[in-house]
Amino acid sequence: DVKVTQSSRYLVKRTGEKVFLECVQDMDHENMFWYRQDPGLGLRLIYFSYDVKMKEKGDIPEGYSVSREKKERFSLILESASTNQTSMYLCASSSFPTGGQGAGNSPLHFGNGTRLTVT
Amino acid sequence: AQSVTQLDSQVPVFEEAPVELRCNYSSSVSVYLFWYVQYPNQGLQLLLKYLSGSTLVKGINGFEAEFNKSQTSFHLRKPSVHISDTAEYFCAILDTGGFKTIFGAGTRLFVKA
Repeated sequence: DVKVTQSSRYLVKRTGEKVFLECVQDMDHENMFWYRQDPGLGLRLIYFSYDVKMKEKGDIPEGYSVSREKKERFSLILESASTNQTSMYLCASSSFPTGGQGAGNSPLHFGNGTRLTVT
Repeated sequence: AQSVTQLDSQVPVFEEAPVELRCNYSSSVSVYLFWYVQYPNQGLQLLLKYLSGSTLVKGINGFEAEFNKSQTSFHLRKPSVHISDTAEYFCAILDTGGFKTIFGAGTRLFVKA
């Protein structure tokens, strides 16, 4: 079974701090994603990566950066945390689409989330 | 642009009653459709998916969903809910050539005894 592990369940940081959120998956998946989840807004994609050292902006990349030095690890970085970045952060992974129905056969596998509070 | 609208933010229902969670989507390209479930203090997990073929798809825990292309809907149903179904449910779409899954805002299902 696919396991996506986020290093921290809860995190409290101060405004202006540099924050690292770590995610590791154990199924050799090519694709990894960072979402933030806010009440009433669902999940919004921050960044994703489809290969080592590759990254693509999602819908809300401002104030964030990412790093993928190894296939199994995808880090989200808040360069200077702000209170409006208080949220639940979810990491996900998926395999590279194969077969006739491509991406449909590669659903997302999620970690349990990191609840970040910035004070 | 693509979007997903979940028509109910919260759905309270009594145990053993039927439930329907509504989802409409908008997309100019072909998409795959998904329902994910998030139990308290957990990440999301796949409930079911529609790729092609029969418009009625069955998922885990007795849930099913029906794809209606003309109405661009993908409503989730269960004929008899349990307390353990209390969770948040997310409808999502993924275009057939892409990487980005687009999620709805979620529907909180409360099952009462």
